[in-house]
Amino acid sequence: DAGVTQSPTHLIKTRGQQVTLRCSPKSGHDTVSWYQQALGQGPQFIFQYYEEEERQRGNFPDRFSGHQFPNYSSELNVNALLLGDSALYLCASSLEKGGVGGNTIYFGEGSWLTVV
Amino acid sequence: AQTVTQSQPEMSVQEAETVTLSCTYDTSESDYYLFWYKQPPSRQMILVIRQEAYKQQNATENRFSVNFQKAAKSFSLKISDSQLGDAAMYFCAYRSFGNEKLTFGTGTRLTIIP
Repeated sequence: DAGVTQSPTHLIKTRGQQVTLRCSPKSGHDTVSWYQQALGQGPQFIFQYYEEEERQRGNFPDRFSGHQFPNYSSELNVNALLLGDSALYLCASSLEKGGVGGNTIYFGEGSWLTVV
Repeated sequence: AQTVTQSQPEMSVQEAETVTLSCTYDTSESDYYLFWYKQPPSRQMILVIRQEAYKQQNATENRFSVNFQKAAKSFSLKISDSQLGDAAMYFCAYRSFGNEKLTFGTGTRLTIIP
């Protein structure tokens, strides 16, 4: 049973460029969340997708956008990259259907983005 | 909005000894979940233990146990018989009932001294 998988593992981008990060949830999971973890900090919630819709959003600008596909996989897009966007981006998945919010959340190993 | 505070940026413990990591949180909600996650150098967040706020009994998972004080809004993690593999960043996290969003603290780096 594959867990949460993310790609790419590492990437380097230049200021002003755009980046797309990808996530495949754990088998059977239908909810995907994205977190940004700056160096030395705890993860910060970016947004969450369920049934291909953005259900919740954290305090991040519109430069951060996402998408969820019918197979529940997800993409995180960041436009007009800033140096401050350098961070580890974590994807997390869980099963919403049949639960009441207490389901276990599983994390991937993250995509490390460096903006130069 | 909920906040989670971890006041110990770094902790160290001798192998086989016991260590306690502290966490406090702020919320006006009565139903919620609390978690401790471990993040080793591989970067993957691994769930260590969870506590439902409506349960008075403290959660235990093998060598890991928590001291949940709801009135004080305190949620500490005790690691017994520390092992070298326990070395990692430990994050305390809060989750509202019916919500999939996690709010994390800033983490505590745990070093195990052989």
